[in-house]
Amino acid sequence: ILNVEQSPQSLHVQEGDSTNFTCSFPSSNFYALHWYRWETAKSPEALFVMTLNGDEKKKGRISATLNTKEGYSYLYIKGSQPEDSATYLCAFVMGYGQNFVFGPGTRLSVLP
Amino acid sequence: SQTIHQWPATLVQPVGSPLSLECTVEGTSNPNLYWYRQAAGRGLQLLFYSVGIGQISSEVPQNLSASRPQDRQFILSSKKLLLSDSGFYLCAWSPRTDPLGNTEAFFGQGTRLTVV
Repeated sequence: ILNVEQSPQSLHVQEGDSTNFTCSFPSSNFYALHWYRWETAKSPEALFVMTLNGDEKKKGRISATLNTKEGYSYLYIKGSQPEDSATYLCAFVMGYGQNFVFGPGTRLSVLP
Repeated sequence: SQTIHQWPATLVQPVGSPLSLECTVEGTSNPNLYWYRQAAGRGLQLLFYSVGIGQISSEVPQNLSASRPQDRQFILSSKKLLLSDSGFYLCAWSPRTDPLGNTEAFFGQGTRLTVV
């Protein structure tokens, strides 16, 4: 069974703090790594799709890096805001895009 | 534009009763389709995925089954629900035009199933 891990499981930060989480995945047979944000009572929404070793993506205050050789990706949030509170999921893509395997998520709470 | 519909939003069913959750996608053709479940306090677990009509792959042995009778319709079923089937079920689709998984998955609104 494919194992995708995320750490930490949950995180509480103060508004304005910067933070980061980790996603670990198998380094062999890599196709893509996705990051999603899942807010309460909403559907998960994609943040980034990363395919190449060394990829760095940025969207506003959120950025992500990818290391396919060692099997990890980091998600960074700069200057966290209460609206950033959500569960952040990474998904490892295998099988020519047929199959997304999600990690358990990191639950972020940003306190005002 | 593409949209995904999933229903019902909530469901309370007694143990031993059947289940049918339906998901349909509009605005695209030949999508990959997925059923995920989030059990309480856990992440998203892939239950089934489908790359075409009648083609279903199961990721974990369970009390559930899936069917894809039409290109954009994905159904999750059970003949007899167990208490352990309670959870939040999400349907998702992804385009099949890119074989390298470069495009994101799009999720439905989810179904909260409580088996009592």
